[in-house]
Amino acid sequence: NAGVTQTPKFQVLKTGQSMTLQCAQDMNHEYMSWYRQDPGMGLRLIHYSVGAGITDQGEVPNGYNVSRSTTEDFPLRLLSAAPSQTSVYFCASSRAGQGSNEQFFGPGTRLTVL
Amino acid sequence: SQKIEQNSEALNIQEGKTATLTCNYTNYSPAYLQWYRQDPGRGPVFLLLIRENEKEKRKERLKVTFDTTLKQSLFHITASQPADSATYLCALDSGGNTGKLIFGQGTTLQVKP
Repeated sequence: NAGVTQTPKFQVLKTGQSMTLQCAQDMNHEYMSWYRQDPGMGLRLIHYSVGAGITDQGEVPNGYNVSRSTTEDFPLRLLSAAPSQTSVYFCASSRAGQGSNEQFFGPGTRLTVL
Repeated sequence: SQKIEQNSEALNIQEGKTATLTCNYTNYSPAYLQWYRQDPGRGPVFLLLIRENEKEKRKERLKVTFDTTLKQSLFHITASQPADSATYLCALDSGGNTGKLIFGQGTTLQVKP
């Protein structure tokens, strides 16, 4: 199994540009999440999904959109990039159940917005 | 609001000693708590989970305690090795059986040979 994969690994955008960060998992996990990690801030939840067709906002959703058309894929869209969105983005997946299952993280996407 | 705090200062210890990391939380009653390890440039990796009705959990050289009265978890690495050098994150469930986690900012551990 490849686990959780993310593309691209690195990206530089200009302010106002749009892009999609890709995330896929091959473990048949129901739950998937997007986090951003900034220095000294830890991981902050952007959006999450408990299954195909179901998404909800996390702590810092503004400026980001998600959709979950399949169990495997959970893309994150930046509609109009801003310098404040410069960060490292992690996608994670976990099994459904008691809500206590470990999360499996992807390798991350390092995004710079100029 | 829910808040999780880990010591933001790096912890430097000598090889062979026991490292102890702290995770404190407020305004919250989590059903469980998780600890993750993160190496530079990589995603976090799950280490241990402890539930609210468990006082202690062990896995090899790792030990986690969970005191719901103090609202605190301690993470111990015994007989530490330079390979244990990394950032360690604690995470609490945010409730609602959704798998959503709230993470602390992490503590960086440096084990010197």
